[in-house]
Amino acid sequence: NAGVTQTPKFQVLKTGQSMTLQCAQDMNHNSMYWYRQDPGMGLRLIYYSASEGTTDKGEVPNGYNVSRLNKREFSLRLESAAPSQTSVYFCASSEGLDQPQHFGDGTRLSIL
Amino acid sequence: QKEVEQNSGPLSVPEGAIASLNCTYSDRGSQSFFWYRQYSGKSPELIMSIYSNGDKEDGRFTAQLNKASQYVSLLIRDSQPSDSATYLCAVNKWNAGNMLTFGGGTRLMVKP
Repeated sequence: NAGVTQTPKFQVLKTGQSMTLQCAQDMNHNSMYWYRQDPGMGLRLIYYSASEGTTDKGEVPNGYNVSRLNKREFSLRLESAAPSQTSVYFCASSEGLDQPQHFGDGTRLSIL
Repeated sequence: QKEVEQNSGPLSVPEGAIASLNCTYSDRGSQSFFWYRQYSGKSPELIMSIYSNGDKEDGRFTAQLNKASQYVSLLIRDSQPSDSATYLCAVNKWNAGNMLTFGGGTRLMVKP
């Protein structure tokens, strides 16, 4: 049972490059989320998708876009990477917005 | 006032002692409360959920909820060095679509 799978696990980019972080869940969850976590800090919500076909901004959406491709998959795109986006990115999913979230292993992203 | 507040710590306890972790929240309509454990370099892992006032026990862990005072706590009995981690409190925001909001976490250090 894989749960929430994130790819890649590590990535180094140069400033201005673009990339897409992938997330897939196999728990038939309705809601999915993208967070970033900087050293010594808590989780900050970037975007979320309450259900298939919907996406909404979280606390720190600037510089990011998302796509809820289907019920299983929710991707996060950095169009023009900046050093301030160096962080660990976590994808999570839950049955509903008020239900416990289950997290992937994270993507460690460095932007030079 | 932060929506979900935790003392960042570190909270240092000797092995075998009881560790007490506290969390306060601002939304009086909140109904769902969760505790996550996050080891350094890993993703958050759900360890407890509580929905009703009172205590809920699971092994060495006890979650306590007091809705009137708007706090939820986690007690860890017989603390072990392997319990050293950051503990995140999450609470649903009833007045914002029931989304979960995470506190900043409390770092627990259990010394042998």
